[in-house]
Amino acid sequence: EAGVAQSPRYKIIEKRQSVAFWCNPISGHATLYWYQQILGQGPKLLIQFQNNGVVDDSQLPKDRFSAERLKGVDSTLKIQPAKLEDSAVYLCASSVGQLRAFFGQGTRLTVV
Amino acid sequence: DAKTTQPTSMDCAEGRAANLPCNHSTISGNEYVYWYRQIHSQGPQYIIHGLKNNETNEMASLIITEDRKSSTLILPHATLRDTAVYYCIVRVRGTDSWGKLQFGAGTQVVVTP
Repeated sequence: EAGVAQSPRYKIIEKRQSVAFWCNPISGHATLYWYQQILGQGPKLLIQFQNNGVVDDSQLPKDRFSAERLKGVDSTLKIQPAKLEDSAVYLCASSVGQLRAFFGQGTRLTVV
Repeated sequence: DAKTTQPTSMDCAEGRAANLPCNHSTISGNEYVYWYRQIHSQGPQYIIHGLKNNETNEMASLIITEDRKSSTLILPHATLRDTAVYYCIVRVRGTDSWGKLQFGAGTQVVVTP
């Protein structure tokens, strides 16, 4: 089966610029997650969707980060404006209920 | 969600069993124990999960103590490809949905020849 697709794989931007990441989950997976992983740390959950709805976004910095999941399928995560501390790998994952979550390869963001 | 405590790192000899401990002393009755691992430069990979019974699959075995306050992930015959960060996660099951899938710092496992 096709895995979780993410793009782009790498992105370099200057601070205060905007950036968007795209995720296409595995077909039929109702739950979609976005994580931020800073070098040397475990992944930090930013937002979790169940179909179109948000299950949890308590750790999403809402002053600069936003995420949406259109029609319960694809999702985009946006940062506007970016800060130096946003440099990280952004991981998308999807799952069916309580079953295993499948992760994409991630997008490595560097803010300079 | 209950917090978990894992050792920062551990080494294991190739071909031997690797036993990875996890403490979750505040776990509640509707919380499951999940294990994931992350090989360098890849996304996390699901290994196994359980509630109170021991579980086994093609990758590993999960042993949960009777009081559910701790668990051990067993890799029966470690290979060099098992070198990774291993995460123990506690996840709540609600009436009609599942709680956050939240990662901690994990255990860095290095398998040596």
